[in-house]
Amino acid sequence: DVKVTQSSRYLVKRTGEKVFLECVQDMDHENMFWYRQDPGLGLRLIYFSYDVKMKEKGDIPEGYSVSREKKERFSLILESASTNQTSMYLCASSLTSGRAGEQYFGPGTRLTVT
Amino acid sequence: AQKVTQAQTEISVVEKEDVTLDCVYETRDTTYYLFWYKQPPSGELVFLIRRNSFDEQNEISGRYSWNFQKSTSSFNFTITASQVVDSAVYFCALSEAFISSGSARQLTFGSGTQLTVLP
Repeated sequence: DVKVTQSSRYLVKRTGEKVFLECVQDMDHENMFWYRQDPGLGLRLIYFSYDVKMKEKGDIPEGYSVSREKKERFSLILESASTNQTSMYLCASSLTSGRAGEQYFGPGTRLTVT
Repeated sequence: AQKVTQAQTEISVVEKEDVTLDCVYETRDTTYYLFWYKQPPSGELVFLIRRNSFDEQNEISGRYSWNFQKSTSSFNFTITASQVVDSAVYFCALSEAFISSGSARQLTFGSGTQLTVLP
């Protein structure tokens, strides 16, 4: 089974702090994604990566950056956390070929910025 | 641009009732994929089904069934004889079929339907 793990289930940070959210997958997937989930808005794509060191902006990249130095790890960085970044963050991975884009998700990190 | 609409924000049913979750989508692509995911209270999205746009046959898996109608751009999900364990948020999603090299197939999600099954 594909396993996607996220470094924390719950995180509380102060406004202005630099925040790192880590995601690791163990199935050699080429693609990795970061979403945020907010009530009534569903999942919105922040950034994705289709290869090591490659990244693409999603629908809401402002205030975020990402890093993918190794194939299995994809980090989401909040350079200066703000209260409007309080949300549930979900990481996912997928293969480029086969299974038509089916994504496997981690358990999520609920981030609160105070 | 692609769009997925799940008009039902919340649904509440009593155990053993049947329930249908609606999904309407918009896309300019002639070939695409549709998905349903389940998000239980634990938070992790679980894949339920993927459907090709050129395959309009309905699908049944146990108590779950899916009705894909290309003419109305809908991909509805029915749970028969609902159980308390079915309580979750359900997401419908859409992706393009073909992608260029140096990219990844992205999913466009609906806003989700919170299903509560009461004992």
